[in-house]
Amino acid sequence: EAAVTQSPRNKVAVTGGKVTLSCNQTNNHNNMYWYRQDTGHGLRLIHYSYGAGSTEKGDIPDGYKASRPSQENFSLILELATPSQTSVYFCASGEKGYEQYFGPGTRLTVL
Amino acid sequence: SQWGEENLQALSIQEGEDVTMNCSYKTYTTVVQWYRQKSGKGPAQLILIRSNEREKRSGRLRATLDTSSQSSSLSITGTLATDTAVYFCATERSSAGNKLTFGIGTRVLVRP
Repeated sequence: EAAVTQSPRNKVAVTGGKVTLSCNQTNNHNNMYWYRQDTGHGLRLIHYSYGAGSTEKGDIPDGYKASRPSQENFSLILELATPSQTSVYFCASGEKGYEQYFGPGTRLTVL
Repeated sequence: SQWGEENLQALSIQEGEDVTMNCSYKTYTTVVQWYRQKSGKGPAQLILIRSNEREKRSGRLRATLDTSSQSSSLSITGTLATDTAVYFCATERSSAGNKLTFGIGTRVLVRP
């Protein structure tokens, strides 16, 4: 069965600190995605990747970096976390024209 | 109906009733997907309908797609309490990479 896992599941960070959210998929999908979900905004795309070594900006990339070191792993990096980045973050994998498989989410609170 | 900056819609129905939710999209797409998100979980796809299909069924689910009006609907017949969730429509962008644009969702509460 398709599987996407995320770690950590919950994170409390301080303003100005560095945060790394990790995602692993066992689907062997080329494409991976990072979204954030906030009330009233649905899911918004932050960064995505077509494969190992590639990262692309999504709709709201400011303040975030991404890294895709392998087919299986995709990380989202907040170099200088701010309270406005408090949100729930979802990772997903998928192929064009087909469904995306989502992880369980990471709840990030920046104090 | 869901899209853009509209407020999240909410519906409350009795178990056993049917429910239909609507979605309007702004840009051309060849694929509309419907996802369900239960509390504390990630979204999970329910049904995918392509531009050459007007209707698609899967169990108690029925999706329609009208490309001329750029709208889609999802109907659930004989709802169960376990159908309580937020339902999102998502359109696939024509550029590469299977990027999806999600609506803001419809919250459905099914009362037992």
